[in-house]
Amino acid sequence: SQELEQSPQSLIVQEGKNLTINCTSSKTLYGLYWYKQKYGEGLIFLMMLQKGGEEKSHEKITAKLDEKKQQSSLHITASQPSHAGIYLCGADRDSNYQLIWGAGTKLIIKP
Amino acid sequence: DAGVIQSPRHEVTEMGQEVTLRCKPISGHNSLFWYRQTMMRGLELLIYFNNNVPIDDSGMPEDRFSAKMPNASFSTLKIQPSEPRDSAVYFCASSLVSRYEQYFGPGTRLTVT
Repeated sequence: SQELEQSPQSLIVQEGKNLTINCTSSKTLYGLYWYKQKYGEGLIFLMMLQKGGEEKSHEKITAKLDEKKQQSSLHITASQPSHAGIYLCGADRDSNYQLIWGAGTKLIIKP
Repeated sequence: DAGVIQSPRHEVTEMGQEVTLRCKPISGHNSLFWYRQTMMRGLELLIYFNNNVPIDDSGMPEDRFSAKMPNASFSTLKIQPSEPRDSAVYFCASSLVSRYEQYFGPGTRLTVT
């Protein structure tokens, strides 16, 4: 969805390096969700952010939502082959149930 | 919990045939979503159920698509007749309430020849 821009579209990173993926909306978000998808599999829920300035971490993955609640970043520290996949952000912008989705960022980890 | 269960995982059918995709949401979840994912269009919401009732089916492409949820533990998405442009991965997702995180099934990869 062009309403939710993800960047970069793809990323090749040397194993052990850090990386950041961004998700940007032109409108304020009620909630921002990060998912990971491996080829041929469903989306795996990673984290949900709701408050401006909120930051959550799970293992080596940290996600932040900016104060204006219009941009989120996903940061991976010391990347591993298991981090490879497609990362998608989803967001709800109003009281509606429906999430809008970014196009995804394909992450490749080089050994 | 086994998570969201979908069947079949793969379906290959000929144009014009009827296709039925099945989904069992996570027990206790009251919201169910059907999505379609393609390279060209990404992830698209087809229909959303809340407490077994269809709330919004505006994403359903056309009358060839229909979805039902006869009870809290089962939903179907039917395509009749199928067309090659329906080829995609179809995901079912459920959530505890509509605004909470959604949990996705493994998807059904549909190929219509």
